[in-house]
Amino acid sequence: AQTVTQSQPEMSVQEAETVTLSCTYDTSESNYYLFWYKQPPSRQMILVIRQEAYKQQNATENRFSVNFQKAAKSFSLKISDSQLGDTAMYFCAFMRGSSGTYKYIFGTGTRLKVLA
Amino acid sequence: GAGVSQSPRYKVAKRGQDVALRCDPISGHVSLFWYQQALGQGPEFLTYFQNEAQLDKSGLPSDRFFAERPEGSVSTLKIQRTQQEDSAVYLCASSSSDRGLEQPQHFGDGTRLSIL
Repeated sequence: AQTVTQSQPEMSVQEAETVTLSCTYDTSESNYYLFWYKQPPSRQMILVIRQEAYKQQNATENRFSVNFQKAAKSFSLKISDSQLGDTAMYFCAFMRGSSGTYKYIFGTGTRLKVLA
Repeated sequence: GAGVSQSPRYKVAKRGQDVALRCDPISGHVSLFWYQQALGQGPEFLTYFQNEAQLDKSGLPSDRFFAERPEGSVSTLKIQRTQQEDSAVYLCASSSSDRGLEQPQHFGDGTRLSIL
């Protein structure tokens, strides 16, 4: 079975600074996808970034980038130039890419607070 | 509306009562997922529909949980004889792609269920 671990329950960062959220996962699959989702206090989950395991290049989306270390099964999220609106719960998620339901397996989340 | 809509937003029920939670996916989305998010945890998969067909119900915790999507659009998650451990936020997500991989899953705001 696949598992996703986020070892940082809470983090804080000063506005305009950079912060990195950690995520590790365990799987025997070779074809899979990894995601970071953001859940602001309003509770609607929003996709931040997605990484295909077969791609060596790390995904980037504006101020958000990942450090994907496949051998180490590590998938960290870096947020540059942090903004107050980045305050939210961040969930790392795994999705197998082979046959079957493409369902997310989420970690327990990291609560990020951006300080003014 | 343009997003996934869930109702009610909050539901309080006494232990032993039956409840029904509704999800209105984005129009035209073929894939619909239900997740359960306990307090302080990441969402956990419950069940998946492709149009009106329930293709995966492996995450439903017991036979008290039942979901349907009879016309391939609106879905209802029903919980019979509720118990305190059913207290959680129930999230619905929809996607325009089969099984929810090629296109991202869009989440609703969730229904917060409290069992007294």
